[in-house]
Amino acid sequence: ILNVEQSPQSLHVQEGDSTNFTCSFPSSNFYALHWYRWETAKSPEALFVMTLNGDEKKKGRISATLNTKEGYSYLYIKGSQPEDSATYLCAPSNTGKLIFGQGTTLQVKP
Amino acid sequence: GAGVSQSPSNKVTEKGKDVELRCDPISGHTALYWYRQSLGQGLEFLIYFQGNSAPDKSGLPSDRFSAERTGGSVSTLTIQRTQQEDSAVYLCASSLAVGSTYEQYFGPGTRLTVT
Repeated sequence: ILNVEQSPQSLHVQEGDSTNFTCSFPSSNFYALHWYRWETAKSPEALFVMTLNGDEKKKGRISATLNTKEGYSYLYIKGSQPEDSATYLCAPSNTGKLIFGQGTTLQVKP
Repeated sequence: GAGVSQSPSNKVTEKGKDVELRCDPISGHTALYWYRQSLGQGLEFLIYFQGNSAPDKSGLPSDRFSAERTGGSVSTLTIQRTQQEDSAVYLCASSLAVGSTYEQYFGPGTRLTVT
């Protein structure tokens, strides 16, 4: 059973601030790491699927890095906007099923 | 194109009754997953299907839970003799194929409340 930890649990920032969250996972038997954004009253939405050590992916103001050897990934949001308010979930996967962390809930104040 | 759909969106049932939750995956997606989020908990895996077969049922919490998929498309999650601890949001997701690198597309979920 994978133990996935995300920190912080919640975060409140002002519009325009940049922020980052951490996802820690067991490094052994690693295949892929998924990041999802889950806005209230909506479906979880895939942000990134990462597989390679040292990989960095970017989508607009959001980027993520991956370290498979030490078992962590960082998600960065540059210049946070109120529409970035959501819960961000990471989930390693080695068979297809996703094992989710508890998530980081971000609140961006205008 | 159409995304993953789930029905009903909300279900309130009395303890002890059976419920069926339905998932319509994206057309052409061979993999289908069920997850749930109980109050204060993270999203937890229940079961997945590759075609009509369920290679991994390890997340089903008890033998009151069962799921099937027919025609490689629609899936039904059935909970028998519901208990209050079954109250949760049940999410379905589909992907092009089974594998750790395939993006999963989630439905809007079914909120189940057991009174």
